[in-house]
Amino acid sequence: NAGVTQTPKFRVLKTGQSMTLLCAQDMNHEYMYWYRQDPGMGLRLIHYSVGEGTTAKGEVPDGYNVSRLKKQNFLLGLESAAPSQTSVYFCATHRAGQPQHFGDGTRLSIL
Amino acid sequence: GNSVTQMEGPVTLSEEAFLTINCTYTATGYPSLFWYVQYPGEGLQLLLKATKADDKGSNKGFEATYRKETTSFHLEKGSVQVSDSAVYFCAPPRGSGGSNYKLTFGKGTLLTVNP
Repeated sequence: NAGVTQTPKFRVLKTGQSMTLLCAQDMNHEYMYWYRQDPGMGLRLIHYSVGEGTTAKGEVPDGYNVSRLKKQNFLLGLESAAPSQTSVYFCATHRAGQPQHFGDGTRLSIL
Repeated sequence: GNSVTQMEGPVTLSEEAFLTINCTYTATGYPSLFWYVQYPGEGLQLLLKATKADDKGSNKGFEATYRKETTSFHLEKGSVQVSDSAVYFCAPPRGSGGSNYKLTFGKGTLLTVNP
């Protein structure tokens, strides 16, 4: 089934480790987003991209980097993981004027 | 810029009760409006949409009407079921212009339906 695929689905890291979350879409959508969801905080935007080769900061970008080298992939990197980054991460994509399609999420725990 | 104000929950109802979750928006022009639903342990999925003023979006018994005069897009269901228990998000309107893509979703409204 076509859509938005996030890898990995689960991960446990130690403080200070680095990792990359991958979001892949096969719908040829221009716009891609990374959100984090925490209890009581709702869904907050980390970074987003309006097209291949472009990225921009969202509401909570600190501690994260992103890249959109290929249109279909949007990578979220944690350079030095901190316990405050324990969260559920969601990727979303869409075309202009159309609804967003979300991935199933990545559950990340940082010890 | 564009934004939404959504009724905060939690909302607890008995099965077959009537549901309303309020959502008002500010937007430049007339962008499409969307409601999303998130079931426990899952990502968000589109529930319904309306693409222009006076449009009524509907799905799974839920309805929302795009009301330009009151800038509202309230979600309603006449008779909720236990399976409707989820978090509901009114999406901020997105349109042309880079700043409108920086919009975030907010907390949503947690609905719990008891048998």
